Amino acid sequence: DGGITQSPKYLFRKEGQNVTLSCEQNLNHDAMYWYRQDPGQGLRLIYYSQIVNDFQKGDIAEGYSVSREKKESFPLTVTSAQKNPTAFYLCASRVRQGDTEAFFGQGTRLTVV
Amino acid sequence: QKEVEQNSGPLSVPEGAIASLNCTYSDRGSQSFFWYRQYSGKSPELIMSIYSNGDKEDGRFTAQLNKASQYVSLLIRDSQPSDSATYLCAVEGSNYKLTFGKGTLLTVNP
Repeated sequence: DGGITQSPKYLFRKEGQNVTLSCEQNLNHDAMYWYRQDPGQGLRLIYYSQIVNDFQKGDIAEGYSVSREKKESFPLTVTSAQKNPTAFYLCASRVRQGDTEAFFGQGTRLTVV
Repeated sequence: QKEVEQNSGPLSVPEGAIASLNCTYSDRGSQSFFWYRQYSGKSPELIMSIYSNGDKEDGRFTAQLNKASQYVSLLIRDSQPSDSATYLCAVEGSNYKLTFGKGTLLTVNP
């Protein structure tokens, strides 16, 4: 079945460590997005990518990095520079051309311990 | 000015009533607008999309778009307890940037 897969579902990180969240899609979508959600809040855009080997900073990119080496994959690294990384992270993808909606993965809940 | 703003809520309506959710956006060049529903702890799911001025109806849901006023709304008719969730407005601006509002928590009381 086509869809977006985020892994892991739950992730625990020690302070000072980098951690990478996986996002894979088999929908042949061009655009991919990473959002962060804190309790009771909406989605804040971290990074997005329209095509392979290109990506743009969103509204809260500091402390995060991404890569887009393959169309299907858009991993997010939460670095030690991100001071408050505990949150729910959501990956989305959509077709770049035309009026189309974004589809979401099931999310990764990251907790710093 | 925030890019996408929603009425803060929470919004509480009785079962069977009409729920009205509102959203304004700042980028006049925006072309695509979406309403998502999100249950607690889950990922958002699309309710409605709208791309041109006017109304778009799908079952109990109606999306309204007014680009001149930079305003988009969602009406839920005959509200059901299962509609209780957070509703997120999303707007596609320039360069395919997709921005969400903070969401409005809707509670439908039996």
